[in-house]
Amino acid sequence: GAVVSQHPSRVICKSGTSVKIECRSLDFQATTMFWYRQFPKQSLMLMATSNEGSKATYEQGVEKDKFLINHASLTLSTLTVTSAHPEDSSFYICSLKGRENSPLHFGNGTRLTVT
Amino acid sequence: GQNIDQPTEMTATEGAIVQINCTYQTSGFNGLFWYQQHAGEAPTFLSYNVLDGLEEKGRFSSFLSRSKGYSYLLLKELQMKDSASYLCAVLDSNYQLIWGAGTKLIIKP
Repeated sequence: GAVVSQHPSRVICKSGTSVKIECRSLDFQATTMFWYRQFPKQSLMLMATSNEGSKATYEQGVEKDKFLINHASLTLSTLTVTSAHPEDSSFYICSLKGRENSPLHFGNGTRLTVT
Repeated sequence: GQNIDQPTEMTATEGAIVQINCTYQTSGFNGLFWYQQHAGEAPTFLSYNVLDGLEEKGRFSSFLSRSKGYSYLLLKELQMKDSASYLCAVLDSNYQLIWGAGTKLIIKP
């Protein structure tokens, strides 16, 4: 069964508004969570890595003030897209990491459309 | 730099066998993963190899040669539902995942 719950699966919002995406670990404590973005027909692009209780590490080119990540507990991480613009429309996916050599478990993704 | 190469696209026939190759050059190695991703969906885990050799799991098998920096994913008895992108990813010495661009597999009847 699913080990990661990501909500919402789809969201449409108006330009300038903020959107929060939640990612929950259902079966295990995830010390590290990753947020990816994927544009159509392109590969996954890592946006940021977050460890429980510490600030997220953002990849080069990702605006930390625009994409707010909160990893408040071992089972929950949130990504907030602030002041969304149409170019932020994308597929956002979270993934969780358990013990060192275990595979990443992915959420089902969130399709964000900014109008 | 770190690099993972896999073919962009492959085509195969339903019922046949296809092998998707992946070569990598990374700073350290702590395992190689294969994921399947259908269009518009999140990736799903297929296999993990950290030792040399072949790992078989039903219709799918994955092979690793660490000395050659090479892996392949073998899909047997292809079904139409196997049409998807297949992503190769390597866990480097810092336990960061380095992703390949993915191989789009097209299955024809």
